[in-house]
Amino acid sequence: DTGVSQDPRHKITKRGQNVTFRCDPISEHNRLYWYRQTLGQGPEFLTYFQNEAQLEKSRLLSDRFSAERPKGSFSTLEIQRTEQGDSAMYLCASSSGTGHYEQYFGPGTRLTVT
Amino acid sequence: GEDVEQSLFLSVREGDSSVINCTYTDSSSTYLYWYKQEPGAGLQLLTYIFSNMDMKQDQRLTVLLNKKDKHLSLRIADTQTGDSAIYFCAENGRGRFNKFYFGSGTKLNVKP
Repeated sequence: DTGVSQDPRHKITKRGQNVTFRCDPISEHNRLYWYRQTLGQGPEFLTYFQNEAQLEKSRLLSDRFSAERPKGSFSTLEIQRTEQGDSAMYLCASSSGTGHYEQYFGPGTRLTVT
Repeated sequence: GEDVEQSLFLSVREGDSSVINCTYTDSSSTYLYWYKQEPGAGLQLLTYIFSNMDMKQDQRLTVLLNKKDKHLSLRIADTQTGDSAIYFCAENGRGRFNKFYFGSGTKLNVKP
C-alpha cells in the first residue's frame, strides 16, 4: 500500500493556460474524490468517481473543469483557461467504500495562476 | 464548510493537554473524522467515531461526541511540538456518496 499519490506537487501557470493534474489512488479503492482547498479553509468537495463513473459534481466545478477516471484507476483533473481564482491546493482522496468510509488523501497539487 | 465550525487557533505548552472543538449541523452523519494537516502537505487521517458512540480513545487521542448538541472534540494528551499542525473535523452526513464536509481547521501551536 503506497498511499494516494498526486502529480505534479506544484504547478505555476499563466492565466488562460490549461493545466492537468493526475491522481493515483490506493490500488484496491474504487471510490475517488477531488477536493479544492484555499488558504485558511478546509477542503471543499469538487467531484466523485465510483470506479470509472463520475457520479457527482459540485457547483464549484465550472464548465472549465473536467475530470476523468477512464479505467477506474487513476484520475485526471483538467482546468481550461485558468483564472487567478483557480489558485488553490487540489486534493485527491480515495476510499474503499466499506468499513468506516474513511478517505485517504494524497499530498495535493498546489496551483498558482499568475 | 459553513455547516461545520471550528475555532481558528489554539496555543498550548508542551506536555499539556489540547482540546480542539467542532460543531456540525447534520444529524444524519454516520461518522465523524479528525484529520491533521502539516504545512504544504495533504490531510492525514487521525481517527474517526461512529455516530452512536460517545467516546473513542486511541493512544494519546480521545474523541468525545455529544450527538444531541452536535458537538465533537479531540483531546490530545501530553501534547508535543510535533503535534503543531492544523486539525480538521469532517462529517459525511449528506448525500449518497459519502463526500466529506470539513470545518475551516484549528491551528494548534505547541510551545516548548
